[in-house]
Amino acid sequence: AQSVTQLGSHVSVSEGALVLLRCNYSSSVPPYLFWYVQYPNQGLQLLLKYTTGATLVKGINGFEAEFKKSETSFHLTKPSAHMSDAAEYFCAVSKETSYDKVIFGPGTSLSVIP
Amino acid sequence: DADVTQTPRNRITKTGKRIMLECSQTKGHDRMYWYRQDPGLGLRLIYYSFDVKDINKGEISDGYSVSRQAQAKFSLSLESAIPNQTALYFCATSDPRDLKRVELFFGEGSRLTVL
Repeated sequence: AQSVTQLGSHVSVSEGALVLLRCNYSSSVPPYLFWYVQYPNQGLQLLLKYTTGATLVKGINGFEAEFKKSETSFHLTKPSAHMSDAAEYFCAVSKETSYDKVIFGPGTSLSVIP
Repeated sequence: DADVTQTPRNRITKTGKRIMLECSQTKGHDRMYWYRQDPGLGLRLIYYSFDVKDINKGEISDGYSVSRQAQAKFSLSLESAIPNQTALYFCATSDPRDLKRVELFFGEGSRLTVL
């Protein structure tokens, strides 16, 4: 069965500092990988995704993630945190053959300190 | 207006009561989903529907039922609510025809509290 782990349920960074949110997955077949963001009192929205092709994926709001098959990882980064980045971030995985059966990780809450 | 609308947004009810959460979408997507969000557990799939005549159980369907009244409407029912069903519930949609846009589109959530 597929599973997703996110290291750190809560991460705090200073404004302007590097954001690094970790995600590892287990999958028996090549997966589709996603990062979703949830702002307070809102639903989730797609930040970025990896399906095929280039392993470094760029998303909205300056975020990017790199698919590393050998490490089964899909870590999310942003060079410089902004106050508006404070939110809950979910890593998710699905199989190519059933891409909309998405398995979500437990989430990481990002706080940005002024 | 939101593409995926959930009602009610907040509901407090008592143990044993029947509750229905409704979802409607204007995206024209065939596929609709109900997820439950609990702190530290992420989102877990309750039910999903690929079209009006196709309903499938997800990871945690026990205690829940669904109805797909039309392409645009997908409701979730708790026949006899219990306190451990207190959670944030999300409806989502996807479009299987657009492989370039492999993603779920979420509503804003329905917060349910069962006392």
